Amino acid sequence: QVQLVQSGAEVKKPGSSVRVSCKASGGRFRGLAISWVRQAPGQGLEWMGGIIPVFGTPDYAQNLQGRVTISADDSTSTAYMELSSLRSEDTATYYCASVASLTIFGVGWNTWGQGTLVTVSS
Amino acid sequence: DIQMTQSPSSLSASVGDRVTITCRASQSITNYLNWYQQKPGKAPKLLIYAESHLQNGVPSRFSGSGSGTDFIFTISSLQPEDFATYYCQQTYSPPQTFGQGTKVEIK
Repeated sequence: QVQLVQSGAEVKKPGSSVRVSCKASGGRFRGLAISWVRQAPGQGLEWMGGIIPVFGTPDYAQNLQGRVTISADDSTSTAYMELSSLRSEDTATYYCASVASLTIFGVGWNTWGQGTLVTVSS
Repeated sequence: DIQMTQSPSSLSASVGDRVTITCRASQSITNYLNWYQQKPGKAPKLLIYAESHLQNGVPSRFSGSGSGTDFIFTISSLQPEDFATYYCQQTYSPPQTFGQGTKVEIK
């Protein structure tokens, strides 16, 4: 049973960057697809992008292209999401999610991390 | 981007009621449609994947149907633990857009 544990809450200044980690345990990391989803306070869910660690090439939501970088480190079974040029609108809880799959399409994201609150404030 | 329109945005229901939520995609997504439940302060939980497949461990009172652009999520007999917000999500093409959510409240 895969479990995902995310890094802790962050407070960042506008214009800076944040990196959130997502460590997988209890399963085969290279057999996973991983996605990142964020949720602004009181708002709905927004898909940010996904990656298949065994292939390494991420897909990104177009509205975040250029600001978001998703990566994965096989050696530590950890996925990362880095968001740059932070704005107040990026204040949100960031979730990683996974499924045992070699594609990010047509899947149900069945395992979720606990969420990481990122607050962007001057 | 594929737009997912979910309705209603909220509903009030009693324990034992049958609850139905609809989700419409702006173009065909075949059956690449998931349903999630989210409770306050918690991560979403996958209930239904690929339109009608019940995730392991999810009670059979939850079900999904539809195809193409129109999908229905049903709770056959609402239980106290089902009061939550429900989201649909398409995984047909990126970005994997979500509906805006349906908050199910106690009547």
